[in-house]
Amino acid sequence: GQQVMQIPQYQHVQEGEDFTTYCNSSTTLSNIQWYKQRPGGHPVFLIQLVKSGEVKKQKRLTFQFGEAKKNSSLHITATQTTDVGTYFCAGWERAGGTSYGKLTFGQGTILTVHP
Amino acid sequence: DSGVTQTPKHLITATGQRVTLRCSPRSGDLSVYWYQQSLDQGLQFLIQYYNGEERAKGNILERFSAQQFPDLHSELNLSSLELGDSALYFCASSRDVGQELFFGEGSRLTVL
Repeated sequence: GQQVMQIPQYQHVQEGEDFTTYCNSSTTLSNIQWYKQRPGGHPVFLIQLVKSGEVKKQKRLTFQFGEAKKNSSLHITATQTTDVGTYFCAGWERAGGTSYGKLTFGQGTILTVHP
Repeated sequence: DSGVTQTPKHLITATGQRVTLRCSPRSGDLSVYWYQQSLDQGLQFLIQYYNGEERAKGNILERFSAQQFPDLHSELNLSSLELGDSALYFCASSRDVGQELFFGEGSRLTVL
């Protein structure tokens, strides 16, 4: 079945440094989503990428979807302590035609930011 | 507030017991999803419903079952509980398949 791998598992940065997490799927995805889970909280939707090669920005966050629609990345510029949390990618698999299969989450990257 | 309501928030029970977790999706959302998150683990997909019908299944144990009712709320039943079932169980909903998920705050299950 579909597998979504995410690296790194942990990332410790000093405040102001950049951060990147990478996501790879074993199958071509219909779209990919990114979520953030603060410590003790629940996952919150950040963004969805649909098109091959798509790049979207949200302030200091840049999201990319690979040309083959099998990988994605999230880059945070100049991290702040408010960026602390676990970042998950989640890929919707194709299930034939325009139908969707399952939404599979990566293992997540736990980001800690030292002030 | 995501609009997804999960009850109970916390539950402590003993091995061998059975519990039911309840989820009310956001108003208008047709899809409901259940995920299990163990300590420092990712989100393991259990099961998905769409408008009352089971749509996709993950690695859900045979001891676990779920359903979505006509009013679209959902219940996850966990039986013959084991220590390893201790986890945070999240329910999420979406307007339709392929769209963003809205998560509830989770039900933390502790099996002693």
